[in-house]
Amino acid sequence: AQSVTQLDSQVPVFEEAPVELRCNYSSSVSVYLFWYVQYPNQGLQLLLKYLSGSTLVKGINGFEAEFNKSQTSFHLRKPSVHISDTAEYFCAVGDSNYQLIWGAGTKLIIKP
Amino acid sequence: KAGVTQTPRYLIKTRGQQVTLSCSPISGHRSVSWYQQTPGQGLQFLFEYFSETQRNKGNFPGRFSGRQFSNSRSEMNVSTLELGDSALYLCASSAGTGGQVETQYFGPGTRLLVL
Repeated sequence: AQSVTQLDSQVPVFEEAPVELRCNYSSSVSVYLFWYVQYPNQGLQLLLKYLSGSTLVKGINGFEAEFNKSQTSFHLRKPSVHISDTAEYFCAVGDSNYQLIWGAGTKLIIKP
Repeated sequence: KAGVTQTPRYLIKTRGQQVTLSCSPISGHRSVSWYQQTPGQGLQFLFEYFSETQRNKGNFPGRFSGRQFSNSRSEMNVSTLELGDSALYLCASSAGTGGQVETQYFGPGTRLLVL
């Protein structure tokens, strides 16, 4: 069965510093990977997705993620974070029933 | 296109009552999924509806039910509310073409508080 592990429940980082949010998955089928963001008191918004093709995927708000098949990872990165990036970030993988399996989420905390 | 809308946004109920939440998907989307989000359990899949039929179901008791109408709007119902049902209930819609993993688009959620 597919599973998603987000290794950090919280990541504190100073404003304008780079950040990496880690996501590892297990999947026995073709891999479809997603990152969503949830701002306080809102629903989830798609940041980026990998379906096929280039392993480096660029998303909204300056985020990007790299699909690494050998390490079964799909880490999310941003070179310089802003206070407005404060949110919870969710990684998800598609399963054999075409449903999304979700990670537990990582709270990104921006320190001024 | 208008996004996914959910009503009501906030709801307070007491134990033992029942509640109905509504979700209107993005125009043209035929699949609607429901999720429960709590601080302790994270995001948990409740069920998915496509063409008025439940296509997938998560591991929730029978008190949680749903339906979908011919215009793809969906409702979920929780009967005999328990304190542990307090959560943010999220609805997500997707095109519903089937046979592939689809991007889901989320509504703002309904925050339910059970007293």
